Amino acid sequence: DAGVIQSPRHEVTEMGQEVTLRCKPISGHDYLFWYRQTMMRGLELLIYFNNNVPIDDSGMPEDRFSAKMPNASFSTLKIQPSEPRDSAVYFCASRAGTGHYEQYFGPGTRLTVT
Amino acid sequence: AQKVTQAQTEISVVEKEDVTLDCVYETRDTTYYLFWYKQPPSGELVFLIRRNSFDEQNEISGRYSWNFQKSTSSFNFTITASQVVDSAVYFCALRGVNAGGTSYGKLTFGQGTILTVHP
Repeated sequence: DAGVIQSPRHEVTEMGQEVTLRCKPISGHDYLFWYRQTMMRGLELLIYFNNNVPIDDSGMPEDRFSAKMPNASFSTLKIQPSEPRDSAVYFCASRAGTGHYEQYFGPGTRLTVT
Repeated sequence: AQKVTQAQTEISVVEKEDVTLDCVYETRDTTYYLFWYKQPPSGELVFLIRRNSFDEQNEISGRYSWNFQKSTSSFNFTITASQVVDSAVYFCALRGVNAGGTSYGKLTFGQGTILTVHP
């Protein structure tokens, strides 16, 4: 079975540009999570969805960040405008519903904002 | 509030040595779940194990074993006869379930322990 798919794997962009990260969760999983990993702050949960509905976005840094999940098989994380401090690895993870608690992570998108 | 502490920032061992990675957690929930993840140099996060708070049996999977002790709020991970391929960052994580039985949904991660196994 395919795991969580993320694209692109690497993104280099200039400050001020819009960046869109994409995620396809494992088929049948009800939950989808977006994380950010940096050396300074470790792994941070940005937002998570249950059945395509955002449940907790308290980790989203600021209004420049937005996330959507238009259907069960696709989610996006958008940064507009991007800043150098947004440089990080962004992970998407998914998990099944009740009774299944482990999250399965995608390979991550390494974002560099110059 | 929930918290996971991995006090060992970095550990360096020589191949075939046994190594234990420590994890201490804090939660007010009576029911919770503990996890270990591995992040090899390639960068992906790989799920290793989940443990329920109501099951304190230790678990062994090949060279890996986990020791869960509620009395000390610890969930330690031991690799026996370490190998170079074990070199990675290892994360301990916690997920609580509130008294009403509704999961918080999200994991609280520790800062990770960098394990380097030298040949």
